[in-house]
Amino acid sequence: GENVEQHPSTLSVQEGDSAVIKCTYSDSASNYFPWYKQELGKGPQLIIDIRSNVGEKKDQRIAVTLNKTAKHFSLHITETQPEDSAVYFCAAPYGQNFVFGPGTRLSVLP
Amino acid sequence: NAGVTQTPKFQVLKTGQSMTLQCAQDMNHEYMSWYRQDPGMGLRLIHYSVGAGITDQGEVPNGYNVSRSTTEDFPLRLLSAAPSQTSVYFCASSYSIDQGGSGNEQFFGPGTRLTVL
Repeated sequence: GENVEQHPSTLSVQEGDSAVIKCTYSDSASNYFPWYKQELGKGPQLIIDIRSNVGEKKDQRIAVTLNKTAKHFSLHITETQPEDSAVYFCAAPYGQNFVFGPGTRLSVLP
Repeated sequence: NAGVTQTPKFQVLKTGQSMTLQCAQDMNHEYMSWYRQDPGMGLRLIHYSVGAGITDQGEVPNGYNVSRSTTEDFPLRLLSAAPSQTSVYFCASSYSIDQGGSGNEQFFGPGTRLTVL
């Protein structure tokens, strides 16, 4: 089955710096990779996704890159702000569902 | 639209008790699922449904039952609660299960925090 690893498990950055979270997956047939943000006490919410026919996608301060050969994809957050503090999850398809990574707790320090 | 709603928000059970976690969505989504979230383990799939009358097991189905009699509702039943079922439970729905196609975004409910003593 699909195995999704995510690193780092915790990340602290100064406000204004960049943050990068990386995920690896095992199924070479996977073709859609979403990233979810979970704020304290809430359910996860999709923030960006990428399909296998592109290598990079940007949405304002966030971007996702995909390397299909190496089977990894990364979330990049630039100019971090305190409201970016949250837990971030990557996911990869598995059958009719998704397998989620274990999550990265991002703390943006003022 | 209310999106995905879950009740209750918090619940404390004693070992052996049974209960039902409610989940409803008003987006006419075909796909619904239940996850449990434990520290350091991300979201693990318990059961899912691709439409009314159709359910299937996920990664960690033991001790849980589901049914899908309508498109809107997808309740999760704990048959005989155990301390190992202490967790935060999330219900999610999406328009499509077509990987790579449109409508893949999963919408999550606010969660139910369950403690089993």
